[in-house]
Amino acid sequence: NAGVTQTPKFQVLKTGQSMTLQCAQDMNHEYMSWYRQDPGMGLRLIHYSVGAGITDQGEVPNGYNVSRSTTEDFPLRLLSAAPSQTSVYFCASSATGGTGGEQFFGPGTRLTVL
Amino acid sequence: GENVEQHPSTLSVQEGDSAVIKCTYSDSASNYFPWYKQELGKRPQLIIDIRSNVGEKKDQRIAVTLNKTAKHFSLHITETQPEDSAVYFCAATTDSWGKLQFGAGTQVVVTP
Repeated sequence: NAGVTQTPKFQVLKTGQSMTLQCAQDMNHEYMSWYRQDPGMGLRLIHYSVGAGITDQGEVPNGYNVSRSTTEDFPLRLLSAAPSQTSVYFCASSATGGTGGEQFFGPGTRLTVL
Repeated sequence: GENVEQHPSTLSVQEGDSAVIKCTYSDSASNYFPWYKQELGKRPQLIIDIRSNVGEKKDQRIAVTLNKTAKHFSLHITETQPEDSAVYFCAATTDSWGKLQFGAGTQVVVTP
């Protein structure tokens, strides 16, 4: 079991560029989510999914898109990168939802937007 | 929506002493309160959690207490060791999926 994997580990973008952060899990978890982590602000939810084909917005969704075509994969797309999106991005998955299930985090992607 | 405040932001303790981190939440409907530990450069990992029908939970040197009336919960680490040095996050959620609302984190430094 690889658990939750994320690629790339590091990325540098120029303002206005687009890219996709990849996230995959092999635990057959229904719930997946994307967080961003900024100094002094904890982890903030960007988007989440409760199953294939179902996604919804979290606390800070602007500038990001997601889709969930399979149970395993949950990519995060940055449409037009901005310096304010410089952050560490974590993908997480859980089996039964937050009130009943532990969220397993991926190793993170450190993104810098110049 | 839910708002979680966490204090202190940094905590320095001598090895062997106890550490306490406190969190308050705003939504009285919150019913699940996990704590995550994040070592430097690593991913957050769940260390303990508590549900609203329980007042206290222990796991070896770690314990969590919940006061629903006051809407606050705390993490207690006893006999701290250098490997306890990390950032600790509290979180709360009200819904069955569990859109976790995280606190801002506490940097714990255990000095020998």
